[in-house]
This record gives sequence, C-alpha cells and structure tokens, in this order.
Amino acid sequence: DGGITQSPKYLFRKEGQNVTLSCEQNLNHDAMYWYRQDPGQGLRLIYYSQIVNDFQKGDIAEGYSVSREKKESFPLTVTSAQKNPTAFYLCASSPRVDQPQHFGDGTRLSIL
Amino acid sequence: AQSVSQHNHHVILSEAASLELGCNYSYGGTVNLFWYVQYPGQHLQLLLKYFSGDPLVKGIKGFEAEFIKSKFSFNLRKPSVQWSDTAEYFCAGGSNTDKLIFGTGTRLQVFP
Repeated sequence: DGGITQSPKYLFRKEGQNVTLSCEQNLNHDAMYWYRQDPGQGLRLIYYSQIVNDFQKGDIAEGYSVSREKKESFPLTVTSAQKNPTAFYLCASSPRVDQPQHFGDGTRLSIL
Repeated sequence: AQSVSQHNHHVILSEAASLELGCNYSYGGTVNLFWYVQYPGQHLQLLLKYFSGDPLVKGIKGFEAEFIKSKFSFNLRKPSVQWSDTAEYFCAGGSNTDKLIFGTGTRLQVFP
C-alpha cells in the first residue's frame, strides 16, 4: 500500500543533542512537508519541499534543518538551537503543493 | 496576509445533535479549501475539499461544507453527529501556487 512512513513513533533525546526524524513516502509525490503540532496551536509549517533538491522555510523554521536528496525522503533534523523541541511532528506529502496532503502517523519527540 | 481561522476551539455535543464548525479564510484570488480530521491516535485524513464549481461540497462520513465567497467562509456541517465523530478537525486553505495554511483546529467531543 502507498503511504507515508515516519519513524520512530516515539523519540527521546537529551538536551543539546541534534536528532533526525525520518519521513519516507512511496506515493510518487513531488511535494513534502514537515509540521509541528502543539495543543491549541494547530499545525505549524516548519519546512516544505516542492521538488527534489529544493526546500523552503515555513513559519517556524528556526532550530530545524531538512534535506531533499531523494524524492521519497524528507528527513527533519531538530538541532540544539531549537528552544522548545518537545512536540508532535507530522510529515505530509502531496502531488503538487496545491493538492490535498497525505499525512504520516507522526513522531512524538521528548527532550529529557 | 493569508490566513485561516477556526473560532471554535472546543465543541461538546450529544449524539444526534447537529454540527457546524466555523472556518474563515483570508486570501486574495482563487482559493482551494480543505477540511481534515484527526481521530484519536490516528493520522490526519482528508474529509473534503473545494477547488471550484458547486459551493456545497460533500465529503466522507456524512460531512459537508459550504463555500460562501461573500463571507470568506467554509463551514463544516453534519446533520446528526455520532460518538465516533469525536476528533480534532482542521480547516486549511491555499492558492493554486502556494502551500496550504492550516487553522488551529477544533476539538469535537460527542457524548452518547
């Protein structure tokens, strides 16, 4: 079945460490996205990519980095510069940027 | 600036009650509008979408939404809710050339 796979489901890291969240899709979608979901704040866009080897900052990109070396993969690195990294992270993809998005199951990151 | 607003943060209903969740958008030009649902413990999934044409859009599970251009609204409705409709609902909007913007979400609780 086609879909989006985020791993791991739960991630714990010590303060000051960088951590990378995985997102893979086999839907052949060009566009991919990373959101952060916090209670009462909805989905906030971190980064998105419309095509391989290209990505743009979203609304809350500070303290995060991404790469898009392959169409299927859009990993997100939460760096030590991110002041409040504990959150639920959602990855999504769509055929084009204006099309409906398909979401993964999310990764819950906790900083100890 | 482009924006999507959901004014109902938390809605509590009894089964069989009617539902209307508000969504207002601020966009110049053509807009595409979506409603997504996130059931407890599940990933976000598309309920319905509006691109053009008939302003009354029917989605899955008996939901519908009406695009009212003069009011900049795209409210979600269901005539009779069920306990299984308990979830968080997100409105989203975007243009033909730009990424989606999500509202902050509405948490719906339906009691038997």
